[in-house]
Amino acid sequence: DGGITQSPKYLFRKEGQNVTLSCEQNLNHDAMYWYRQDPGQGLRLIYYSQIVNDFQKGDIAEGYSVSREKKESFPLTVTSAQKNPTAFYLCASTPAAGTNQPQHFGDGTRLSIL
Amino acid sequence: AQSVAQPEDQVNVAEGNPLTVKCTYSVSGNPYLFWYVQYPNRGLQFLLKYITGDNLVKGSYGFEAEFNKSQTSFHLKKPSALVSDSALYFCAVRDTGGGNKLTFGTGTQLKVEL
Repeated sequence: DGGITQSPKYLFRKEGQNVTLSCEQNLNHDAMYWYRQDPGQGLRLIYYSQIVNDFQKGDIAEGYSVSREKKESFPLTVTSAQKNPTAFYLCASTPAAGTNQPQHFGDGTRLSIL
Repeated sequence: AQSVAQPEDQVNVAEGNPLTVKCTYSVSGNPYLFWYVQYPNRGLQFLLKYITGDNLVKGSYGFEAEFNKSQTSFHLKKPSALVSDSALYFCAVRDTGGGNKLTFGTGTQLKVEL
């Protein structure tokens, strides 16, 4: 079955450490997205990519970085500049950026500070 | 800029009773609206969408939503609630800036009790 795989499911970060969250999809989707979910705040967009080798900042990009070297992969790095990284991180994808197709979501990575 | 409001943090309903989860939106131009459901420690699952056409949209698991342009609302409904419907529900509107980005509401926790 096609889908989105996020790993790891749980991740712990030490002070001053960068950590990378993996997102892989086998849906052959062009567009991919990273969201941060905090209790009571819904989902907020961190970064998105409409095509390989291209990505744009979302609403809360500070302290995060991404790459899109392959169509199926969109890793998110939480840098030491992100002072409040504890959250549930969700990756999503859609067939193409210009359509009204719903976003498909992975099962998330929960990041906590040690 | 577009926005979505879900005025109720939590909705409680007895099993077998009808349920309604409210959503209002603000967007310039035609709205493209979505409902998603999230179970604990999982990603979001797509339920239904409104792009154009009939104001009553039918979706997965017996859910439907009523689009009301004059009231700028897109309420989620189900005629007979199940305990298994207990979850977090999100309403979302597609950003007018393109890229298939979504703006999410803060979510409504639905609790269905026996």
